[in-house]
Amino acid sequence: DAKTTQPPSMDCAEGRAANLPCNHSTISGNEYVYWYRQIHSQGPQYIIHGLKNNETNEMASLIITEDRKSSTLILPHATLRDTAVYYCIVRVSHQGGSEKLVFGKGTKLTVNP
Amino acid sequence: NAGVTQTPKFRILKIGQSMTLQCTQDMNHNYMYWYRQDPGMGLKLIYYSVGAGITDKGEVPNGYNVSRSTTEDFPLRLELAAPSQTSVYFCASRGRTGGVSNQPQHFGDGTRLSIL
Repeated sequence: DAKTTQPPSMDCAEGRAANLPCNHSTISGNEYVYWYRQIHSQGPQYIIHGLKNNETNEMASLIITEDRKSSTLILPHATLRDTAVYYCIVRVSHQGGSEKLVFGKGTKLTVNP
Repeated sequence: NAGVTQTPKFRILKIGQSMTLQCTQDMNHNYMYWYRQDPGMGLKLIYYSVGAGITDKGEVPNGYNVSRSTTEDFPLRLELAAPSQTSVYFCASRGRTGGVSNQPQHFGDGTRLSIL
């Protein structure tokens, strides 16, 4: 199973871009990279996912390196409400066609005023 | 949009009691999941279901049971509550598009369970 490595914590100034790195050096060719976040006491919130190409949606951008061994989640203009734990997850295929998400400890992002 | 709804939000049980955590989704998703999250840790998969009538064990199934009689509902049963089951429980669901199952999981807001 591909594992991910993230820094335990990061700080960012309000209004600036937050760049959250993730290493997934053992990722397989058909595995997607997913990003979720968890704001205190709430359920994990889906942010974005990608396979090879860079992706952008209304919440964030995902940059995946050409060798797919690492990725970066970019929050272009961080706000105080973006303070949360961010999880980088490689989707693990499971027998029977199901899947499970393996959550590590993530990165605690603190956005400062 | 209701999404994934979990009830109750909070519950305190005595050791040896039983209870059912409810989870329902209104997105017609085939796949549903139960996770637990202990303080300061990531989520661990308890059970999952790929469709009505089909369930399977995840990483930490001991002490729990599930059923999936309908597409919408996926209740989690604790038969003999133990202090080690004190945790926050999250239910999630996922759809499937065509032959590529890369749709993200959507989570409920969780049930906070304390066993005393």
